[in-house]
Amino acid sequence: QKEVEQNSGPLSVPEGAIASLNCTYSDRVSQSFFWYRQYSGKSPELIMSIYSNGDKEDGRFTAQLNKASQYVSLLIRDSQPSDSATYLCAVMIKSGGYQKVTFGTGTKLQVIP
Amino acid sequence: DVKVTQSSRYLVKRTGEKVFLECVQDMDHENMFWYRQDPGLGLRLIYFSYDVKMKEKGDIPEGYSVSREKKERFSLILESASTNQTSMYLCASSGTGVNEKLFFGSGTQLSVL
Repeated sequence: QKEVEQNSGPLSVPEGAIASLNCTYSDRVSQSFFWYRQYSGKSPELIMSIYSNGDKEDGRFTAQLNKASQYVSLLIRDSQPSDSATYLCAVMIKSGGYQKVTFGTGTKLQVIP
Repeated sequence: DVKVTQSSRYLVKRTGEKVFLECVQDMDHENMFWYRQDPGLGLRLIYFSYDVKMKEKGDIPEGYSVSREKKERFSLILESASTNQTSMYLCASSGTGVNEKLFFGSGTQLSVL
């Protein structure tokens, strides 16, 4: 079983709709969770981070974490064509100085004008 | 402006060569990471380091080694390059907080012929 799993997509949504991206992880000691956006040919950039159960909102983005179900999601409201990118879910395990960050394979999002 | 600098954007090597990929960060970060990115496989962790001279194997360490003699520099070494190591290599660094994001370099596209 992969440590971090995502549906590779592509996920196609019309402009203005809500895009819902999902991620599951296998290691229960995972502490922090991140969503990165990656445009083609570019390095990943952080969209959201979350480490407590529940929802965290930042502008059009909402991250949701359910540690009991080992599930983290990203909602993008009012999707724009500029949101078209690959979204990478990342999971951090931290113990003392040790800090390991593992990524999923990414979900490609296409926002149709 | 914070920076993670990778020494080369593109690199072409021959099979059997010893290859060094260099990464330097200017943020005094304790944690540094090497990933490779291949289509459909996301970012896969090769090695990471949480302190000078400390290194940990990631998920795919075979065929690679690393060196961290100074805090700001983390080198990835391909002892004997093979064609299946043709890939995009991304270096990243982060601080020690539980919600610390990764800062990525711009990547090195390595081709092994």
